[in-house]
Amino acid sequence: SQKIEQNSEALNIQEGKTATLTCNYTNYSPAYLQWYRQDPGRGPVFLLLIRENEKEKRKERLKVTFDTTLKQSLFHITASQPADSATYLCALVDSNYQLIWGAGTKLIIKP
Amino acid sequence: DAGITQSPRHKVTETGTPVTLRCHQTENHRYMYWYRQDPGHGLRLIHYSYGVKDTDKGEVSDGYSVSRSKTEDFLLTLESATSSQTSVYFCAISYLAGDAADEQFFGPGTRLTVL
Repeated sequence: SQKIEQNSEALNIQEGKTATLTCNYTNYSPAYLQWYRQDPGRGPVFLLLIRENEKEKRKERLKVTFDTTLKQSLFHITASQPADSATYLCALVDSNYQLIWGAGTKLIIKP
Repeated sequence: DAGITQSPRHKVTETGTPVTLRCHQTENHRYMYWYRQDPGHGLRLIHYSYGVKDTDKGEVSDGYSVSRSKTEDFLLTLESATSSQTSVYFCAISYLAGDAADEQFFGPGTRLTVL
């Protein structure tokens, strides 16, 4: 069956360190993958998109990698800040060009 | 959330009653989506629209219907609400279709409780 998995346990990181979140998928061959941030009580907000032919994408303190062999995307936040605390969602596009979403990983940055 | 509003923001209803949720956008985007979000699950697509009067089913469409009579409005109707439809519902829009790898913009959500 097709699955997209993110670590369901909250990730606790010390301020200033790099946070790394994982998105694994099975039985998909997505043309691209997106990462979103969601704060409590609000809708997701788009952060980054990476295509299947791209190994890495950066935006300010954010970096996303995409390994189609491992079927995995990693999302990194460098020099993390308490304001980065949120739930981060990955979403990949399926063969019908609709987004399939992971359940998200809650990131907590401690001062 | 800019440019997308959802109403109501909260609703409590009883099993068997009809419920309509409204999504309104001021961005003039062609594509609109309705998702539900439940604990432990990713967002799941209910229905989407690719233009006025053009809609299609998503992954979890049973028990839901939609209508889009104007570009700016996308309505989600639960004909006869059930407790399994208790969820947070999000509307999203995009300028381009999924094959163009466009980002989606989300509304603030509607929390629906069916007793």
